[in-house]
Amino acid sequence: QQQVKQSPQSLIVQKGGISIINCAYENTAFDYFPWYQQFPGKGPALLIAIRPDVSEKKEGRFTISFNKSAKQFSLHIMDSQPGDSATYFCAAEGAGTYKYIFGTGTRLKVLA
Amino acid sequence: NAGVTQTPKFQVLKTGQSMTLQCAQDMNHNSMYWYRQDPGMGLRLIYYSASEGTTDKGEVPNGYNVSRLNKREFSLRLESAAPSQTSVYFCASSSTANQPQHFGDGTRLSIL
Repeated sequence: QQQVKQSPQSLIVQKGGISIINCAYENTAFDYFPWYQQFPGKGPALLIAIRPDVSEKKEGRFTISFNKSAKQFSLHIMDSQPGDSATYFCAAEGAGTYKYIFGTGTRLKVLA
Repeated sequence: NAGVTQTPKFQVLKTGQSMTLQCAQDMNHNSMYWYRQDPGMGLRLIYYSASEGTTDKGEVPNGYNVSRLNKREFSLRLESAAPSQTSVYFCASSSTANQPQHFGDGTRLSIL
């Protein structure tokens, strides 16, 4: 019940295309859903985050879609660029728990 | 502004040796965390400190101890290193629960 399932494991997209990464969870007590971007040799960096009271959040080319009834959330990267090539992690945290549960990551490669 | 600083960046140990990983943050955050990252498994929480003076177990605490030295510093100790503890270790901090966590660039630890 504490798992966050992330798919796909890897993704190849042409420059200018849309990258879509999906996550699913079981625990309805999760209250905060961040996405992180990680480049090789670096720590994860926050990309965008959403709370369950909204269905969509957009920041620049990055959008989170959140479906509370389906217990799913996804990251959309519009106009994908080679510089977006990185590993992306979704996470979920219960209210006041301090415990992020991470997905297993998606390795994105954007072809020039 | 350094953010979250981890030392050392790389370390090789022999089985049975002990080691302390250091972490410091300069963002005046209340909460600090230690994670390990293994291939195909995402990041898993080892221990966290919700505030100065408190520490709690995460998902994978066995074989580790932590110390919240002051508000800025949070250390992770391996008392008797085992090959299964070969991993990349990340420290993170946040203002409180359900807020963005800011990560350091990791310590790459190999245990032979």
